[in-house]
Amino acid sequence: EDQVTQSPEALRLQEGESSSLNCSYTVSGLRGLFWYRQDPGKGPEFLFTLYSAGEEKEKERLKATLTKKESFLHITAPKPEDSATYLCAVRHIEPGGSYIPTFGRGTSLIVHP
Amino acid sequence: DSGVTQTPKHLITATGQRVTLRCSPRSGDLSVYWYQQSLDQGLQFLIQYYNGEERAKGNILERFSAQQFPDLHSELNLSSLELGDSALYFCASSGRGQGANSPLHFGNGTRLTVT
Repeated sequence: EDQVTQSPEALRLQEGESSSLNCSYTVSGLRGLFWYRQDPGKGPEFLFTLYSAGEEKEKERLKATLTKKESFLHITAPKPEDSATYLCAVRHIEPGGSYIPTFGRGTSLIVHP
Repeated sequence: DSGVTQTPKHLITATGQRVTLRCSPRSGDLSVYWYQQSLDQGLQFLIQYYNGEERAKGNILERFSAQQFPDLHSELNLSSLELGDSALYFCASSGRGQGANSPLHFGNGTRLTVT
């Protein structure tokens, strides 16, 4: 069973059309939820870390929020350069005591001009 | 630029062969993580090293091994390669403290193609 589920798998928007991406998780003992952006052929680029329910972070047109079971990445008035895959990862305490981030499969976002 | 360097960028090899992927973490980072990314599996954690010692293992095959050297660079060795090993292999590093909440910073990966 996936611990981190992202939806939708793919999203097509018109430039300026705001929307939200969802990341739901089933782990307990959350030690951080991370959002990354990944461009084709590149490594994931860190965007935000959220630690507790109610926390919000913003960067340009992106805003990330966190509840006890999910996180949203809101994209306001997106531009074509926001096209990328957005990955969510959760860090929690593994049975062996390690803190390894587990990634969702991502949402592929395409913004049309 | 994340500060994490991976070489080579591309690798094409035949089944049954052995390859070594190299990673230099960000300056000051003690933890190195290896992930495999394929189209059908997403990012899968392989192994973590902290200051030269193995700290956590994920779904890493017995044919794969890794190490972290005193200068903190890391190598991932893949042997007896199979077609299914074709994927992007990413290295990431994070700040001091294996349990720290600092995010992972990724390199741009090595694309391995096994023919």
